[in-house]
Amino acid sequence: NAGVTQTPKFQVLKTGQSMTLQCAQDMNHNSMYWYRQDPGMGLRLIYYSASEGTTDKGEVPNGYNVSRLNKREFSLRLESAAPSQTSVYFCASSEAGTLVKTQYFGPGTRLLVL
Amino acid sequence: AQSVAQPEDQVNVAEGNPLTVKCTYSVSGNPYLFWYVQYPNRGLQFLLKYITGDNLVKGSYGFEAEFNKSQTSFHLKKPSALVSDSALYFCAVGHTGGFKTIFGAGTRLFVKA
Repeated sequence: NAGVTQTPKFQVLKTGQSMTLQCAQDMNHNSMYWYRQDPGMGLRLIYYSASEGTTDKGEVPNGYNVSRLNKREFSLRLESAAPSQTSVYFCASSEAGTLVKTQYFGPGTRLLVL
Repeated sequence: AQSVAQPEDQVNVAEGNPLTVKCTYSVSGNPYLFWYVQYPNRGLQFLLKYITGDNLVKGSYGFEAEFNKSQTSFHLKKPSALVSDSALYFCAVGHTGGFKTIFGAGTRLFVKA
């Protein structure tokens, strides 16, 4: 099992450009998440999808959109990138349920917005 | 509102010595507590969690953590540190009835040979 995979690994964008970060998991998990990691701030939740067909905002959703394409895939889109979105982005997945579950993380995407 | 604090940005310890990485939390309701570890250029990996039961939780790679309800703490410990334990450690908290996990800012552990 590959676990959680993310593409691309690295990306450089110019301000105003758009891009989509891809995430897929092969653990049959119902729930998926997008986080950003910034120095000294830990991980902050951007969006999550409790189950296929649903998405909800996290702590820092502004400037992002998500799509839960199917049970395996959860993409994050930056419509008009800004330098403040320079960060490392992590996708994660977990089992279903309303209770907090252990999350499994992908390797991350490093994004630089110039 | 839930929150988690890791009061130390960095912890330095000599190989073979015991290590402690501190975490305190605030939630309404009963807490779910996690420790994750991040090695350079990698995603976070689960180490251990406390849901209910024994206050001392044992996890991967010889790590353990003690849940202290009165002090609202969940410190990570290991009796004998290894150089390979050097990494970034995150404490995280959720709560019964909630769905989202809140992560601390992380503590960088350096183990010197």
